[in-house]
Amino acid sequence: SQTIHQWPATLVQPVGSPLSLECTVEGTSNPNLYWYRQAAGRGLQLLFYSVGIGQISSEVPQNLSASRPQDRQFILSSKKLLLSDSGFYLCAWSVPDREYSYEQYFGPGTRLTVT
Amino acid sequence: GQNIDQPTEMTATEGAIVQINCTYQTSGFNGLFWYQQHAGEAPTFLSYNVLDGLEEKGRFSSFLSRSKGYSYLLLKELQMKDSASYLCAVRDFGSARQLTFGSGTQLTVLP
Repeated sequence: SQTIHQWPATLVQPVGSPLSLECTVEGTSNPNLYWYRQAAGRGLQLLFYSVGIGQISSEVPQNLSASRPQDRQFILSSKKLLLSDSGFYLCAWSVPDREYSYEQYFGPGTRLTVT
Repeated sequence: GQNIDQPTEMTATEGAIVQINCTYQTSGFNGLFWYQQHAGEAPTFLSYNVLDGLEEKGRFSSFLSRSKGYSYLLLKELQMKDSASYLCAVRDFGSARQLTFGSGTQLTVLP
């Protein structure tokens, strides 16, 4: 069966510090991968998605970046955090090239507080 | 682009039926999803509609009308554990089948 891991679960970082969040998927090959951010009491905002190694698409211009160094690894980074970067960060995966009932599966999330 | 609207909050009583509506305006439509999210947790998949009509899964049903840009999630025999946020999401024809999520409807089930 497939599983998705994210770490850390919680993180408190000062403004201006760097960030690295990691997501890995097990039990599937060549998944589509996604990074979302959710502000308190809000819906999910898609930040980045990837259809393959080294292929990253950005949905929202900001001070965050993403990388996919391996097939099942997705990393979210920042060189200098802003207060507005606080939120609940969710990684998700989906099966590629399937047309129907093509849901995304979410990891447990990382709660980031920038102070 | 996509624009998705759903009520911010709803309250219902244990054992009752509640309907959560979602309307959308999209440049491309390739399916509508409903997710459930408990506080502090990741969303979990509830239902998927790509054709008009009603899809039933146990106590949960979801309806879609593509011509009206409208969907609803129907929860029957409400239980306290159904208190959660319910997210409506529309999928487009992008290369990664991206989803655009609404802001979610926070449902509170009262005893």
